[in-house]
Amino acid sequence: AQSVSQHNHHVILSEAASLELGCNYSYGGTVNLFWYVQYPGQHLQLLLKYFSGDPLVKGIKGFEAEFIKSKFSFNLRKPSVQWSDTAEYFCAVNTPNTDKLIFGTGTRLQVFP
Amino acid sequence: KAGVTQTPRYLIKTRGQQVTLSCSPISGHRSVSWYQQTPGQGLQFLFEYFSETQRNKGNFPGRFSGRQFSNSRSEMNVSTLELGDSALYLCASSSRGQGARVSTTSQYFGPGTRLTVT
Repeated sequence: AQSVSQHNHHVILSEAASLELGCNYSYGGTVNLFWYVQYPGQHLQLLLKYFSGDPLVKGIKGFEAEFIKSKFSFNLRKPSVQWSDTAEYFCAVNTPNTDKLIFGTGTRLQVFP
Repeated sequence: KAGVTQTPRYLIKTRGQQVTLSCSPISGHRSVSWYQQTPGQGLQFLFEYFSETQRNKGNFPGRFSGRQFSNSRSEMNVSTLELGDSALYLCASSSRGQGARVSTTSQYFGPGTRLTVT
């Protein structure tokens, strides 16, 4: 069965610090990969996605992620975080024949000014 | 385009009752999925519908059911509510097509319905 692991459960950073959130999945076949963000009191929003092609994908608000197939990883990065990035971040995968998303447990990011 | 809408936004029910939640997808989207979000279990997949047909079902008891209408709107029903059913129920829609074997579509989520069972 597919699964997604997010090893960082709670990350605390100061503004301007760099961010990297880990995401690993277990599935031997082709997958689509997503990062979603949930700001306090708001609904899940798509941050970025990978379907195929260039393994380095750029999303909204300066976020990017790199798909490393050999490591089954899709880590999220941002060079300089802002207080407004405080949120919960979810990594998710699905296989191309379904919309069913398998989510990681989420990483709570707190950014202090 | 308007986003995914869900009604009601908040609901309080007592154990043993049943509840129906509604979801209207983004205009033109025919694929609708439901998820349950709890602090303990995180985000878990419930169902996936396309053109009134359930295409996929998560690992939930039979008390959880759903359906989709011809206008793509979807409802989910939970019967004989238990305390553990307290959660945020999220609906998502995508533009995935019927014959698409390789999906390059993303899902867009609604604000959710917060269900509290007392």
